[in-house]
Amino acid sequence: KAGVTQTPRYLIKTRGQQVTLSCSPISGHRSVSWYQQTPGQGLQFLFEYFSETQRNKGNFPGRFSGRQFSNSRSEMNVSTLELGDSALYLCASSPRTGSIGELFFGEGSRLTVL
Amino acid sequence: GEDVEQSLFLSVREGDSSVINCTYTDSSSTYLYWYKQEPGAGLQLLTYIFSNMDMKQDQRLTVLLNKKDKHLSLRIADTQTGDSAIYFCAETTGGGNKLTFGTGTQLKVEL
Repeated sequence: KAGVTQTPRYLIKTRGQQVTLSCSPISGHRSVSWYQQTPGQGLQFLFEYFSETQRNKGNFPGRFSGRQFSNSRSEMNVSTLELGDSALYLCASSPRTGSIGELFFGEGSRLTVL
Repeated sequence: GEDVEQSLFLSVREGDSSVINCTYTDSSSTYLYWYKQEPGAGLQLLTYIFSNMDMKQDQRLTVLLNKKDKHLSLRIADTQTGDSAIYFCAETTGGGNKLTFGTGTQLKVEL
């Protein structure tokens, strides 16, 4: 069974640009969550999508958005990039939502903002 | 607030046991997790424990949970060089699959 696939793996953008990251979950998984990992703030929850609906949202500004498609693939978008958005963005998929969380993570998309 | 604390570093000799500690704050957490992150990789789920359990053993891994003190620990028996990584504890908060992660403990295994 293929794991969680994130694209692109690495990308460089400049301040003010926008970026779209993609995540393909494990086949049959309907929940996709996104996390931001930085050396200073650690791992922080961005949002979770389940069956195309946003279930949960973390404390990030409105510049961070996401969506999920009918095939469970998900994208996240960051508009008007700031230097502080440089991070590893991790996507995780799960068969279900709810408190029995068992997340399978992708290898991440490393974003550098110059 | 939702702060999950871990010590930053742990160094052990190969073959010894490692104990990684975690203090969490949300007493309503239902599940607590341990994840492993190797350099350049995502997070790998190692094990998890339901909040009504005190202990869970899974091969070389033993998880201990003290709900009164909100303390979680991960013991790795017979630690190997391949265990060198960053270990994160996490708790479910806010419902759904939202996890609050600890700061991470970097485990270094020396020969």
